[in-house]
Amino acid sequence: GAVVSQHPSRVICKSGTSVKIECRSLDFQATTMFWYRQFPKKSLMLMATSNEGSKATYEQGVEKDKFLINHASLTLSTLTVTSAHPEDSSFYICSAHSRKREATDTQYFGPGTRLTVL
Amino acid sequence: AQSVTQLGSHVSVSEGALVLLRCNYSSSVPPYLFWYVQYPNQGLQLLLKYTTGATLVKGINGFEAEFKKSETSFHLTKPSAHMSDAAEYFCAVTQGRGKLQFGAGTQVVVTP
Repeated sequence: GAVVSQHPSRVICKSGTSVKIECRSLDFQATTMFWYRQFPKKSLMLMATSNEGSKATYEQGVEKDKFLINHASLTLSTLTVTSAHPEDSSFYICSAHSRKREATDTQYFGPGTRLTVL
Repeated sequence: AQSVTQLGSHVSVSEGALVLLRCNYSSSVPPYLFWYVQYPNQGLQLLLKYTTGATLVKGINGFEAEFKKSETSFHLTKPSAHMSDAAEYFCAVTQGRGKLQFGAGTQVVVTP
């Protein structure tokens, strides 16, 4: 159990376009989803926390107007990178957590999305 | 505030040798501690976690970790390394509100 999927796994786009990444919890209802960014050879940087039906909470330094997060249901969260630029190229990973499933802070991670902006 | 320190960004072990990855944490509250593994171009997979109870925790793929409160440590071990253990390993501690604080990661290389 605890499977999280991401789509697409890889995306290449032109500078100035927008890209949407989907994160789905396949076998449980996620009360909270997290979005991370990972630079090469680096650890994960938390971008935002999203709770179903409410606005996402962004970490300091993350532009909320550039990285739009929607958590429309208990199994789906989306991250939209708006007006993408080459510096937005990165590996984006989502994770899901359910307080109902377990009373710890265990997060289950998606496989990641490699974004390349030309 | 919680923090995690992983000693050694790179560890090289011979196949069949002991794997030891070090993790020290600081936390103002009783911590939940995690080890995750990441293979190239993939997400993170949970290896094991400590929440409460037994301080020696067994995980997948033959890994285990011991929570030592007095040393604020949660080191990860595996008695005998396999080539498939080559990956990046992350230690993490809860920050509260479901958030995790990750260490910088340790790259494990397994040599024949």
